[in-house]
Order: sequence, then structure tokens, then C-alpha cells
Amino acid sequence: QKEVEQNSGPLSVPEGAIASLNCTYSDRGSQSFFWYRQYSGKSPELIMFIYSNGDKEDGRFTAQLNKASQYVSLLIRDSQPSDSATYLCAVRGGGGSYIPTFGRGTSLIVHP
Amino acid sequence: GAVVSQHPSRVICKSGTSVKIECRSLDFQATTMFWYRQFPKQSLMLMATSNEGSKATYEQGVEKDKFLINHASLTLSTLTVTSAHPEDSSFYICSARDHRGDPDASYEQYFGPGTRLTVT
Repeated sequence: QKEVEQNSGPLSVPEGAIASLNCTYSDRGSQSFFWYRQYSGKSPELIMFIYSNGDKEDGRFTAQLNKASQYVSLLIRDSQPSDSATYLCAVRGGGGSYIPTFGRGTSLIVHP
Repeated sequence: GAVVSQHPSRVICKSGTSVKIECRSLDFQATTMFWYRQFPKQSLMLMATSNEGSKATYEQGVEKDKFLINHASLTLSTLTVTSAHPEDSSFYICSARDHRGDPDASYEQYFGPGTRLTVT
């Protein structure tokens, strides 16, 4: 069974700091990796996706993928209170599979 | 961008009644839509995959006769919770796959805003 593991948190960081969110996955054949942000009572919204090893940057967000170690992380620079939310990691396998497996999410709290 | 709507956003019903939730892709055609359920503090649980013009594929443990899914057009899928019970109270979220644009993005799922179901 494919598993995606995330620390449920909460992860608390001060405003302006770097928040680091981690995710590990069990399926070594996984090809696509996604980070979603979910505010309380709302549905998830896609922040970033990454397919290749290394870093991918988009504004204050950086996704890091290490397939050998089977982990993917999300860095949020200059964290803002509005970044406080639950961050879901989703992993999709290869071979034409288009249904991702979601982790339980990490709760992030950015305090002023 | 890809926009997915859901209706209603919130519904309260009595035990034993049925509730229909609509999911629409507003600016693209979605051959595939997904239905998720999320309990408080839990992750998304995929209930079923809905393909236009064919029967939905249900995940293990999801009763297909209780959760009726219809995907009659490329922009609309419906989920009907039949004979609802309090344990069906949850946040139901649909998502749709957008095939347009950047090939790297061709497998992205865009989520609807969700429907909060409360069964009394």
C-alpha cells in the first residue's frame, strides 16, 4: 500500500522565518509530487508540483525532491501569518497513474 | 486558471434523507473528476473516480449504492448520498483534472470549494 507520511505538527515559526515542511513516501516508483495548502474549512489549493530531483522555486516557496531518499519538502521563506494553514503533500505513481496519494498534512502556525 | 465549483457549499439534512452535491468545471472540460471525503483533522480520502459517460470507480470500502455518482457531461459530476446518517457528516470535496496547457501540468487536480454535510 502506498503511504505518504507527514508530521502532523503543529509547526510553529515566527513571522519572517523559514518554515520547512517534510514529506516521505513509500512507493519508490513515484513520479510526481505536489504540495497543497488547505485553510481551515476550505478545500486544498495547489501551491507547487515537482517532478525532477532538486529544487524548484516559485516566489517564497521552494520544493525540494530527493527520490533516492524518498522525501519531498517545502520551504516557505519570509513566512507570514497568512501562511498559517495545513499543508498537504501528495504523491503520484508512474505508469500513467493519475490518482495521487495524500498525506495527512502538517499544520503550520506563523505567529507575529 | 482552472475553476471548479461545488453546490451547495453547506447542507443540513435529516437522517434517512438523500442529498445531491454538484461539481462543475467552469472553464474546462473534465473527463475525469474525483470525489473525496475529509473528516476533521484527517487527510483527504478518495471515495471514487468519475469518468464522463461511464460508471464510477469506487475505492475499497466505499459503498457504491450509498454514494451514487453520475458524470453525465464533461463539465458536471454529481454525488448523491442516499439514506444519509449522522456518520456521513463530513466535508465532501470534488476535483477535476485539466488536460489543457503545459504538459507538465496536464495531470493537475483542481479542487472545488467543498460541501459541508451535516446529518442530524
